[in-house]
Amino acid sequence: SQQGEEDPQALSIQEGENATMNCSYKTSINNLQWYRQNSGRGLVHLILIRSNEREKHSGRLRVTLDTSKKSSSLLITASRAADTASYFCATLSRLGANNLFFGTGTRLTVIP
Amino acid sequence: NAGVTQTPKFRVLKTGQSMTLLCAQDMNHEYMYWYRQDPGMGLRLIHYSVGEGTTAKGEVPDGYNVSRLKKQNFLLGLESAAPSQTSVYFCASSYVNEQFFGPGTRLTVL
Repeated sequence: SQQGEEDPQALSIQEGENATMNCSYKTSINNLQWYRQNSGRGLVHLILIRSNEREKHSGRLRVTLDTSKKSSSLLITASRAADTASYFCATLSRLGANNLFFGTGTRLTVIP
Repeated sequence: NAGVTQTPKFRVLKTGQSMTLLCAQDMNHEYMYWYRQDPGMGLRLIHYSVGEGTTAKGEVPDGYNVSRLKKQNFLLGLESAAPSQTSVYFCASSYVNEQFFGPGTRLTVL
C-alpha cells in the first residue's frame, strides 16, 4: 500500500504546549500534504512540502520531510483549543490525476 | 464563492433503496473526487473525474456509479444500497495539488 500512516493515533496536550505528529509512507513522492479535519467537517488543506524541501513553515505550523526515511512530521507550536482536530498526511496516489492517498490520521485534543 | 457543496447532509436508506449524492463546485476545477470515510480507516477514494464527461474508478468503486455531465457537478449514485455503505461521503475538487472538500454527507443504510 502507498498509504501514509500517522503516528500517534491520538494525542492529548495542554493548551500552549507543542504538538508533533508523524507520517510515514512507502513509495517515492513528489510532494506530501497535510490536512486538518474538525469534527463533522470536511478536510482543509494546511501545507504542502515538495520532495526537494526539508522544512517548511506556515504560521504556527512547521513541517519537515525526510525522503531517505520516507517520513514527515507536523509540528504545531503554542497549541490552542481550536487546534483540536484530526490531522492527515496525504501523498500522490499511483492512480495519478492528482489523486491522493490519505493516512488514518492523528486525533489531537488540546485541553484548555 | 461557495466552494464545494454537497446535497444532502444526512440520509437514511433501507437496504435495496437507491439514491444520488450531489456535489457542486464553483472554482472551475477540472478534477473532482468522491471519498468515503469510515472510523479508523481514513479516506478511501471511490471514483474520480479528470474533466467534464470523464469518470474513473478509485480504490473502492464497487456498488457505486458516478456521472460528470457538467464541469461543476459530480454525482455519486447508489443503485441498491447495502448496510456496508453506511459511511460519511466527501466530495472534493482540485486544480493542481490542493484538494478542496465539501462538508460531507452522512449516510445510514438500515
